Amino acid sequence: EVQLVESGGGLVQPGGSLRLSCAASGFTFRNYEMNWVRQAPGKGLEWVSYISGSGSPIYYADSVKGRFTISRDNAKNSLYLQMNSLRAEDTAIYYCARRGYSYGHFDFWGQGTLVTVSS
Amino acid sequence: DIQMTQSPSSLSASVGDRVTITCRASQSISNYLNWYQQKPGKAPKLLIYAASSLQSGVPSRFSGSGSGTDFTLTLSSLQPEDFATYYCQQSYNTLGTFGQGTKVEIK
Repeated sequence: EVQLVESGGGLVQPGGSLRLSCAASGFTFRNYEMNWVRQAPGKGLEWVSYISGSGSPIYYADSVKGRFTISRDNAKNSLYLQMNSLRAEDTAIYYCARRGYSYGHFDFWGQGTLVTVSS
Repeated sequence: DIQMTQSPSSLSASVGDRVTITCRASQSISNYLNWYQQKPGKAPKLLIYAASSLQSGVPSRFSGSGSGTDFTLTLSSLQPEDFATYYCQQSYNTLGTFGQGTKVEIK
């Protein structure tokens, strides 16, 4: 059974940093491209970042470029999102999602982890 | 960047109704269009990929159509468990842009 479990969310002050993790199981992690998607309270889904199975290439939404860094450790079946210079508008539930073959659909999602940026 | 626009943003319907949600891309995306359902407090769930392919386990009352820039999600007979928010998403490029969502509420 495919499982994605996020962790690392919490309360952080503006300007602070946080590192999210996503533990994958039930599939050959290195074979799949992965993404982070976020959802601000009461708002829609926003794609945040993409990483290929090998770790390159990598892409970011303009809203996080230069502040967030996506990475993965295929030996540990884990995906990460390092978030620096956090702003109030980064407050959201962050989901990791697996990108399916062929059509790039997000076929499996984690349960999400809440990041709150507030003083 | 490819922009995705859904309509309507919300709708009210009754159990048994036929419901249609549309999604328009700012440029041609062929059939790289996906639909997700999200219920309150839950992660999104894939319903339809490649514009019209039903994800495994999804009831056949859900269907998708379209290509190029205009796409449709249809629920043939709305069930109580279908009240949720629906999102389209383009996967033509790796920046997987989502539409703003359509909330389906009980009339």
